[in-house]
Parts: sequence; structure tokens; C-alpha cells
Amino acid sequence: GQQLNQSPQSMFIQEGEDVSMNCTSSSIFNTWLWYKQDPGEGPVLLIALYKAGELTSNGRLTAQFGITRKDSFLNISASIPSDVGIYFCAGLAYSGAGSYQLTFGKGTKLSVIP
Amino acid sequence: GAVVSQHPSWVICKSGTSVKIECRSLDFQATTMFWYRQFPKQSLMLMATSNEGSKATYEQGVEKDKFLINHASLTLSTLTVTSAHPEDSSFYICSASRPGGWLSTEAFFGQGTRLTVV
Repeated sequence: GQQLNQSPQSMFIQEGEDVSMNCTSSSIFNTWLWYKQDPGEGPVLLIALYKAGELTSNGRLTAQFGITRKDSFLNISASIPSDVGIYFCAGLAYSGAGSYQLTFGKGTKLSVIP
Repeated sequence: GAVVSQHPSWVICKSGTSVKIECRSLDFQATTMFWYRQFPKQSLMLMATSNEGSKATYEQGVEKDKFLINHASLTLSTLTVTSAHPEDSSFYICSASRPGGWLSTEAFFGQGTRLTVV
């Protein structure tokens, strides 16, 4: 099946620093999604990317859909303590007859040091 | 974003009993719903993909007779953990895809259900 390689696995950064994480795959996806998960909660969608090469921002977050459709990155600028959490990338692939397959990366755990 | 509601948020049950978890898309019709299991400090593990009106597709290693999935309507999917045992204790999360054509489909998550089997 499809697999996503998400890196880094975890990060410790100082408050105010920028953060970058990425996902790569051997498969092509129609949509790339980035989520953040707080402990004990379901993941919350941060950014959705639909077109190869697309660059989308949501506040301090910026994400890009790789031109090959096999990768994506997420940047967080000027990190703050509430950015702490686990960030997941996900690739959505259309599998025919109105069905979709959603594949997740293993997550990047972000810790922000005040 | 769209709203997906999962119920209950937290449940404790006795070993050997069955537990039903509901996943509802509140403001859109979801043709596809996904069920995940998450162990502490780990990523989401896909258990099954459910399309409305058809049988769920289970991932390898997931017992379909133990984890019964029903997707009877475009806004509701249920996961029933049958004859639950302590090793089934976990965080279960559903996700629903909001179709917009393949160019704009998104997936939204419920808040998760913490299952503890004692």
C-alpha cells in the first residue's frame, strides 16, 4: 500500500524559531493535508493542498504541494508555546467509484522551549 | 472546517462486553469514512475504510468480526468492538471525507473515543 515518510520524528526548538517538516512518498496523491493533534484530541486540519506546486498559508503556517505530487512540506514561522503538538501529513488519493484512500505519515512531535 | 462528531468521547467497559462508537458528519455528506486506532505517542493506524452502503474494507491484521463497521447513511458510521478485552483499550478516531471532486476533497476528524476495557 501507499506509505508516507514524515520527518523529522521529533523536534525541540526555542520559542520564536521557525520550524520545517516534510513528507515524501513513492506514490502520487491528489491532495495533501496537514493536521495538528493535541493530546487526547482528534487531529485538526491545518492546511489542504490540491494542486502540484501550490503554496498555501494559514497564519504563521505555510505548506506546499510538491511539483511531483509525491511530497509536501509544512513551515511554522516564529513558533510559540501553543504550537506544541504532533503534526501529521496525510495524502489523499482517489481510488475510483467515489472512494478515497487516506494515508498518514507517522507524525512530527514538536516541543517549543519558552 | 466541517464538523465530525464522535460519540462517546470516553468509555469504560467490562471485559467481554461490546462497545459501539458513533461517527457523524454534521454538516456534510460523507461517502467515505475512515476508522483509526492510536496507541500512546504513536501515529494513527488505519483500521478500515467504510463507504456508504457497502461493506467496509479492513486493513491487514484487523479482525473484521471483532471490529464491526456499519456505514448505513451518508452521515453516520459506527464501529462496534465486540467482546472487548483489555488489549483493545486504545484511542479510536474516525475521519470523514467531504467530497468536492478529486480536486478538493478534504478529510475531517472526530474528537476521538478513549476506550478502556477492565
